[in-house]
Amino acid sequence: DGGITQSPKYLFRKEGQNVTLSCEQNLNHDAMYWYRQDPGQGLRLIYYSQIVNDFQKGDIAEGYSVSREKKESFPLTVTSAQKNPTAFYLCASSIRQLEETQYFGPGTRLLVL
Amino acid sequence: EDKVVQSPLSLVVHEGDTVTLNCSYEVTNFRSLLWYKQEKKAPTFLFMLTSSGIEKKSGRLSSILDKKELFSILNITATQTGDSAVYLCAVEILAAGNKLTFGGGTRVLVKP
Repeated sequence: DGGITQSPKYLFRKEGQNVTLSCEQNLNHDAMYWYRQDPGQGLRLIYYSQIVNDFQKGDIAEGYSVSREKKESFPLTVTSAQKNPTAFYLCASSIRQLEETQYFGPGTRLLVL
Repeated sequence: EDKVVQSPLSLVVHEGDTVTLNCSYEVTNFRSLLWYKQEKKAPTFLFMLTSSGIEKKSGRLSSILDKKELFSILNITATQTGDSAVYLCAVEILAAGNKLTFGGGTRVLVKP
């Protein structure tokens, strides 16, 4: 089955700790995205990548980092610099410039202990 | 700054009612407007609108875009309890990476 997977479903972070959220897709999509969802704020773009080894900051990139070493994978690291990391994180992908629809993964809920 | 605003924030209806959700936007380089339904965390795609005045329909759902007045509406007729969800509107910006800017969502609760 083609799709986007995210892991883990729930993640707990201690203060001062970096954590990494996984996002994998087997849709052969070039573009991948990370969004953060907070109550009442819709989805906000953290980072996006159009192609392997390239990524761009979104609207709220501070305190986050990403890598795109493989087409299928776009992991997001929430660093200790992110002071309010508790949120729901959604990964998405799309065929760059050929298909506008973004397909979303199931999400990861990050909680701070 | 690109902005997408949805209204109302939430509404409660009874089965069989019709609901109308609004999405207004102020963005540079508009490409398309998309509607998503969010139930179990991850949004699922409903419609993509690029042209004014052309209604898109899928079963009991329909949507239309007005590019002059910069808004879209999503209609749900004969609502069912399964329509209870958060409905998200997003605008795609004609820029690198198909960036989407989302509204805050409208929470719809359909009571039996």
